[in-house]
Amino acid sequence: DIQMTQSPSSVSASVGDRVTITCRASQPISSWLAWYQQKPGKAPKLLIYAASSLQSGVPSRFSGSGSGTDFTLTISSLQPEDFATYYCQQANTFPPLTFGGGTKVEIK
Amino acid sequence: QVTLKESGPVLVKPTETLTLTCIVSGFSLSNARMGVSWIRQPPGKALEWLGHIFSNDEKSYSTSLKSRLTISKDTSKSQVVLSMTNMDPVDTATYYCARIRDYMVRGVTFDYWGQGTLVTVSS
Repeated sequence: DIQMTQSPSSVSASVGDRVTITCRASQPISSWLAWYQQKPGKAPKLLIYAASSLQSGVPSRFSGSGSGTDFTLTISSLQPEDFATYYCQQANTFPPLTFGGGTKVEIK
Repeated sequence: QVTLKESGPVLVKPTETLTLTCIVSGFSLSNARMGVSWIRQPPGKALEWLGHIFSNDEKSYSTSLKSRLTISKDTSKSQVVLSMTNMDPVDTATYYCARIRDYMVRGVTFDYWGQGTLVTVSS
């Protein structure tokens, strides 16, 4: 199984801050990586697929980069509605498809 | 407008079989390169992929749960069904169905999700 490790597990930030979340795969996955945002009590929302492609309707302050084993999700200027938990997911090798453990973005 | 909605019991007893139905609208389960996945999330924990079924009827299951899972679809009814046998309290979670689209280009990613249904396993 491909293990997905996110860091940090939580981050405190202020509105307007630049926030970076990293995700590491236990073996190379090319660019087959997705990022999701989840707010409490809600289903996850797809933000990024294929490591850097922005899902339709997602604000451009979200961006993704990386390939192989190391990936990054960046929020360029944190907005109040961005406080949530973020998950990465490897999207090519299955079974099983695997998610990271999540990164909670909290208000500083 | 694409929607998915899960339905099924909110409470099951240990050893029972859970059956959840996902009704989809706004797309067809027969559309090429599409599929539906089941994903669960125990309270306060991370997401766990359970399995999926593609439009060509190809299926894949979690390796750790494979012996307990069955996913099927009825294209005419626009529904996908998850069956999980021998339920245990550790299976208490919110269960989601989610759409897979253009997996050859986007990878197996989930662009639309149902609202989720919380299933509690308790005697």
